[in-house]
Amino acid sequence: GAGVSQSPSNKVTEKGKDVELRCDPISGHTALYWYRQRLGQGLEFLIYFQGNSAPDKSGLPSDRFSAERTGESVSTLTIQRTQQEDSAVYLCASSLTPTVNTEAFFGQGTRLTVV
Amino acid sequence: GQQLNQSPQSMFIQEGEDVSMNCTSSSIFNTWLWYKQEPGEGPVLLIALYKAGELTSNGRLTAQFGITRKDSFLNISASIPSDVGIYFCGVKSGTYKYIFGTGTRLKVLA
Repeated sequence: GAGVSQSPSNKVTEKGKDVELRCDPISGHTALYWYRQRLGQGLEFLIYFQGNSAPDKSGLPSDRFSAERTGESVSTLTIQRTQQEDSAVYLCASSLTPTVNTEAFFGQGTRLTVV
Repeated sequence: GQQLNQSPQSMFIQEGEDVSMNCTSSSIFNTWLWYKQEPGEGPVLLIALYKAGELTSNGRLTAQFGITRKDSFLNISASIPSDVGIYFCGVKSGTYKYIFGTGTRLKVLA
């Protein structure tokens, strides 16, 4: 596609439920990132995928968070047993194979509200 | 951990004024990026800087990559109401991880 596409745009869920967020990267982009943005805050790194390499999961805040990506296509971020503190905008970004001179391009985000 | 400090945190300016914001780090980085985020949208890349001392323009925007590789600034000339948003600086840490500042929130008064 022309840009990074995320779905849903908005998600309201009850505390304790599981949610799945989807990201469609730009075609040809081998690298994919998930970031979290709490209200009024900056961008917090969650996880990075590069091709078929093992992902960098160092930013995942707890074992309730997991993400998958098959090859160089769609990624899903799953949050189990959601808590109110999980409320945030979840941003996905993709880039060409990372070198010094590559940039990340973001989707519009999924706004998650846990009630 | 590594941290980027952006200043100011927020600013209100009159339409037509020039704006300047900056981003500093205690560590050296070789790639500096500036993004703008509008309400309800994801960040959009404005300018990418790859060489220390580099000065790059994009329309009314000008950004510089500091010679020490520990800072960058973004200038907006002759601001207009649609410049409103949050401006994030970002750096590439290592080969792939992007780190972002907490943003400068800009509001333009017509």
